[in-house]
Amino acid sequence: QVQLQQWGAGLLKPSETLSLTCAVYGGSFSAYYWNWIRQPPGKGLEWIGEISHSGSTNYNPSLKSRVTISVDTSKNQFSLKVNSVTAADTAVYHCARRRREEVTTFRNFFYYYMDVWGKGTTVTVSS
Amino acid sequence: QSALTQPASVSGSPGQSITISCTGSSSDVGGYNYVSWYQQNPGKAPKLMIYDVNKRPSGVSNRFSGSKAGNTASLTISGLQAEDEADYYCSSYTSSTTFVFGGGTKLTVL
Repeated sequence: QVQLQQWGAGLLKPSETLSLTCAVYGGSFSAYYWNWIRQPPGKGLEWIGEISHSGSTNYNPSLKSRVTISVDTSKNQFSLKVNSVTAADTAVYHCARRRREEVTTFRNFFYYYMDVWGKGTTVTVSS
Repeated sequence: QSALTQPASVSGSPGQSITISCTGSSSDVGGYNYVSWYQQNPGKAPKLMIYDVNKRPSGVSNRFSGSKAGNTASLTISGLQAEDEADYYCSSYTSSTTFVFGGGTKLTVL
């Protein structure tokens, strides 16, 4: 059974860099895109971005200038960094997986949903 | 990208059916059959309930169903049970090759 275990600093000051890591236990690492999603207190989910095992990334345009997602395939881990944080970055941050497309002789399969999620890490930005 | 629009809250009595709407645009919900729905209980991670508009993952009750008409997707829960009380979020793939979520709907079982 696949498990996503995440960790990182929970309390930051404005202008610091948020740094979180998510480790994947079980299942294939290369067959998926690895995502970060956040949820501010009392608000909805916001997609941050994703990365493939080869390092190909895709980001939310509203966060792209401050966000970097990286991958360490030797450890089956991927990480999130958000620069210059403010109080607006206070949220529960979740990692999640999305299956990569499958190309076959007869048809291609696409997967546009997150089927396994990490439990979430609370990050608070406060002076 | 703008968040998809969901009602803030819906409610229903046990045994009844409820429907949660999710409105986007032709660049997301209306343009692709890639709408998914997630259930989230307090302090827990979201759980996938519906994908590709109307498909259920293994293990999800057939009381949950999804549909789409134009730029609006819907999640219907039939035979409402107390355990269905949770927050529900829709999500869609977009023309920018990104994902967008709805603001969430709190379901109360009366």
